[in-house]
Amino acid sequence: DGGITQSPKYLFRKEGQNVTLSCEQNLNHDAMYWYRQDPGQGLRLIYYSQIVNDFQKGDIAEGYSVSREKKESFPLTVTSAQKNPTAFYLCASSTQGSLAYEQYFGPGTRLTVT
Amino acid sequence: SQKIEQNSEALNIQEGKTATLTCNYTNYSPAYLQWYRQDPGRGPVFLLLIRENEKEKRKERLKVTFDTTLKQSLFHITASQPADSATYLCALQNYGGSQGNLIFGKGTKLSVKP
Repeated sequence: DGGITQSPKYLFRKEGQNVTLSCEQNLNHDAMYWYRQDPGQGLRLIYYSQIVNDFQKGDIAEGYSVSREKKESFPLTVTSAQKNPTAFYLCASSTQGSLAYEQYFGPGTRLTVT
Repeated sequence: SQKIEQNSEALNIQEGKTATLTCNYTNYSPAYLQWYRQDPGRGPVFLLLIRENEKEKRKERLKVTFDTTLKQSLFHITASQPADSATYLCALQNYGGSQGNLIFGKGTKLSVKP
C-alpha cells in the first residue's frame, strides 16, 4: 500500500526544545516538501528537496532545518529559534522531471508548543 | 504584489445543487492550476490539474475551467452530496518556477446540507 506517512499525529513540546517530525514515502518520488498550515492561512512552503542530499529553502524556512539522506525520508526539525512553532505540518511528495505534477500529502502532524 | 484568492471562506448549498468555487490570482503567470480537497485534520488530496492552454477539464461530477484573461479558475461540483463537504484548495504553478513553487490559496469550506 503506497503512500506517505508522518509520525506522530500529535506532538507536544515545551518551548525551547527542538523537535523532529518524521516523513516517509514509498512512492519512489524524487521530490519531497514540507508545508505549514495555520488556521485561515494557505499552505506555506518551508523546505523542499528535488533529489537526495539536496534541498532548498521555501518561503518560511527560518527556524527550521531538514535533511535528505535517503530518497524515502525527509525529516523536519523545528528548532527553538522558530518563534511560532505551533501549527499543522504537512509533508508531500511528487514525481520529478515532469512539468505538470500533483503532490501527494501525508496525514499531517499537529505540533503544540507550550 | 502577487496574490491568490479563493472567493469565500465558506459556501453553504443544498444537496443536489451545483457548487461553484472561485480562484482568482494576480501578478502570476501560471502554467498549471490544481484543485485539492482537504478534510478536517487531514492532508490535502489532489483532484484535478488544468493547463493554461486548456479551457475546461472534467472528472466525474467535477469540472474545472481556467481563464487566463480573467485570471480565474472555477471549480464546479454537480449534483452535490453531503459527502462533498470539505475545504477545497486551489494551487498554481508559475512558469519558470522550480518544482517547489506550488502556491496555495487559503481554501473555501464547502458545506452541503441534506
